Parts: sequence; structure tokens; C-alpha cells
Amino acid sequence: KNEVEQSPQNLTAQEGEFITINCSYSVGISALHWLQQHPGGGIVSLFMLSSGKKKHGRLIATINIQEKHSSLHITASHPRDSAVYICAVRLLLTSGSRLTFGEGTQLTVNP
Amino acid sequence: DSGVTQTPKHLITATGQRVTLRCSPRSGDLSVYWYQQSLDQGLQFLIQYYNGEERAKGNILERFSAQQFPDLHSELNLSSLELGDSALYFCASVSSSNEQFFGPGTRLTVL
Repeated sequence: KNEVEQSPQNLTAQEGEFITINCSYSVGISALHWLQQHPGGGIVSLFMLSSGKKKHGRLIATINIQEKHSSLHITASHPRDSAVYICAVRLLLTSGSRLTFGEGTQLTVNP
Repeated sequence: DSGVTQTPKHLITATGQRVTLRCSPRSGDLSVYWYQQSLDQGLQFLIQYYNGEERAKGNILERFSAQQFPDLHSELNLSSLELGDSALYFCASVSSSNEQFFGPGTRLTVL
């Protein structure tokens, strides 16, 4: 079993829909990251969370440390949001800021 | 633009060969992390350097090695290449607040 599980693996939405991607982890963490990877391959860091909620534009990320769960929400989705979204954690028992990754969620937003 | 540079963007080589991937972190960041993204294994941490010193090792094969130079750029050396080494290799520069900034990646194809 992976230490970081994401769901769903694939998600198709219509433009304008509200989208939720979930991430669960099984070990203690010091932080959780949400990353976006576009078809060209580049990875962009969207959020780094250790508690609560963060918002940036149409993106919202929440984390519940007790339940070991995080969600990434996209409001008013747009075709340009189509990408792979990756949840990654910094484990408490490891040194430095190395990340352990989920398998990613492929999001496709149709016009 | 993350401020992290990686060269080359693409590399095609044959089995048994040796290649060097290069990464320059963001100005002011002392840490460099190397990650491998393959189709079957997803994203995995390989190795971390901090101010010229190796700090942590992950799933890095013995055929692979890395170093960080006094100007803080880092090189990842892959030798005796196998077909299974074909992957995207990312480096990430980590700020003092533990935010990760990913380079554009090097796509390695071993034929």
C-alpha cells in the first residue's frame, strides 16, 4: 500500500464544474504539497500546507491532520486546468524536505 | 518560470552509455533534490544535496551518482544505462521556508 493515495485516478469534467481531488496518507507528515503537471511535463507547486486551508484564485486546498486527508478544489473549472494533479508529503521521520508522491489525478476539463 | 534550470531538455542515448544531467537551483537556495518520474514507478526521490554535501539518499541505483559544486549547481550522473532508466528527471530547489521549486526536467530516452 502506498503511503500517499489519491482519488480519483482520472476525472473528466465540463467547463464550469466544481472539482474535488482527494489525498489520503498513512503516516505522520510535516507538510503536504499539491503539484500540477502539464502535458509538457513541467511541475508547478500549487500549495504547501501543514494545517487548515489555503486559497489561490480558483484553487482551494484543505488539510485535516487528524484524519490524514487533504482535498484540492477547483471552482469554475476551465479547459486550461486540464493537467495531472499530484499530492506529495514531507514525512515526519525523514530529514530535509524530500517528498513522497501520490500517483496523480489526471484531470480533463472539456469546453 | 521557477528559477531552476535543467539541461539538457531531452537526451537520447543507447544502453550501456553514461550521461550527465545538470541542474542550477534558484539564486539563494542551497538545497537541490533530484527526482525520477517513470511510467511504472511514478515520481520518486533519488538524492538530496545541501551546500555541497549529500544529505539524504532515496531509491537511487548504485549506477547513479550525483554531486553539488561550490557554485551550487548539481549534476546527476547515470551510467551503464538500461532501457528502464528512461524517465523524466527533475531537480527541485528548496527555499528556507521549505517550498519546492521544480526545474523543467530532462527527458531521458534509452534505446
